[in-house]
Amino acid sequence: AQTVTQSQPEMSVQEAETVTLSCTYDTSESDYYLFWYKQPPSRQMILVIRQEAYKQQNATENRFSVNFQKAAKSFSLKISDSQLGDAAMYFCAYRSVKLIFGTGTRLQVFP
Amino acid sequence: EADIYQTPRYLVIGTGKKITLECSQTMGHDKMYWYQQDPGMELHLIHYSYGVNSTEKGDLSSESTVSRIRTEHFPLTLESARPSHTSQYLCASSEGGNYGYTFGSGTRLTVV
Repeated sequence: AQTVTQSQPEMSVQEAETVTLSCTYDTSESDYYLFWYKQPPSRQMILVIRQEAYKQQNATENRFSVNFQKAAKSFSLKISDSQLGDAAMYFCAYRSVKLIFGTGTRLQVFP
Repeated sequence: EADIYQTPRYLVIGTGKKITLECSQTMGHDKMYWYQQDPGMELHLIHYSYGVNSTEKGDLSSESTVSRIRTEHFPLTLESARPSHTSQYLCASSEGGNYGYTFGSGTRLTVV
């Protein structure tokens, strides 16, 4: 069975700095998709970025980028120029048939 | 604008009451899901549907039931609510393949 592990329950970053959230997963499949979701306090969960496993190039969306290491089964999220609005729970997720979530990382952003 | 809607946003009810949490989407997605999110924020899949008249239980056992009579509507029902049902319930929908899920705003249920 596939599993997703986020080993950092909480992280903090200073405004305008860069932070990296870690995610590892376990699978025997070769074709799958990986996602990072953001859930602000009491607000809707939204998709931040996604990565197709067959693509070697790391996905980028504005200030958000990933470091995808397929052999190591690692999928970290880098947030550059952190803003106060980035404070949220961040979930890493794996999809082949259904979406499997990690346990989340709570990100605090300090002014 | 295409979206997914959950009502109510917050609900406080007494033990033993029957409740239905509503979820509707306007994107024409065949696949819909219900997640229970515990206080530690971990997400557990409790029900899913791949189309009309198709429903399946998820990875976490739940006393709730679901129905899918219309593509856009996927309500979740608790016949007799208990304090152990206190949680946040998230509804989601998706296209197939490499697309992620679109989530509703959630229903925060408290059973007293």
